[in-house]
Amino acid sequence: RKEVEQDPGPFNVPEGATVAFNCTYSNSASQSFFWYRQDCRKEPKLLMSVYSSGNEDGRFTAQLNRASQYISLLIRDSKLSDSATYLCVVKGRSNTGKLIFGQGTTLQVKP
Amino acid sequence: EAQVTQNPRYLITVTGKKLTVTCSQNMNHEYMSWYRQDPGLGLRQIYYSMNVEVTDKGDVPEGYKVSRKEKRNFPLILESPSPNQTSLYFCASSLTPDTFSNQPQHFGDGTRLSIL
Repeated sequence: RKEVEQDPGPFNVPEGATVAFNCTYSNSASQSFFWYRQDCRKEPKLLMSVYSSGNEDGRFTAQLNRASQYISLLIRDSKLSDSATYLCVVKGRSNTGKLIFGQGTTLQVKP
Repeated sequence: EAQVTQNPRYLITVTGKKLTVTCSQNMNHEYMSWYRQDPGLGLRQIYYSMNVEVTDKGDVPEGYKVSRKEKRNFPLILESPSPNQTSLYFCASSLTPDTFSNQPQHFGDGTRLSIL
């Protein structure tokens, strides 16, 4: 079983749609959680950190459920520019700084 | 501008010919790391460095070497490249490796290596 699992998609949605991505992680000792965005095999870029209380940044909302070891990302009012691969990322407790990446979920927003 | 710079961006070479991919950051970050990205496998850590002269293996270190003689530089060395090292490589850095910190890792633009 992979340490971080995501549905690879692709998710094809029309502009303006609301779309949700989910991610599960296997190590209950994981401490920090992130969503990164990656465009066309370019470098991953931090989209947002994920906090237990949930957090929002504009059209993006991230949630963390520690009991279920589950992370989600909600994108409202999808734009064409949201088309990308979204990487669920977990940082473990080992203090090595290692980020553990999910395979990524591909989103294609269509006009 | 704060950045992580990798060179080269693209390289096609042959089996067994030693190569080095350079990585440099200008943010005075302590922590640096190398990842490789392969279809269906996501990004996997090759080596990391907690600070100058402190390096350690990640999940897939076989066939790679690194060094950290200066804080800003963290080169990735392939002494005898093989075709299974054909991949997209990313260097990343962050201020510290602190597990409890939500500070992000900053990634370089990537290096696409093809080993024939």
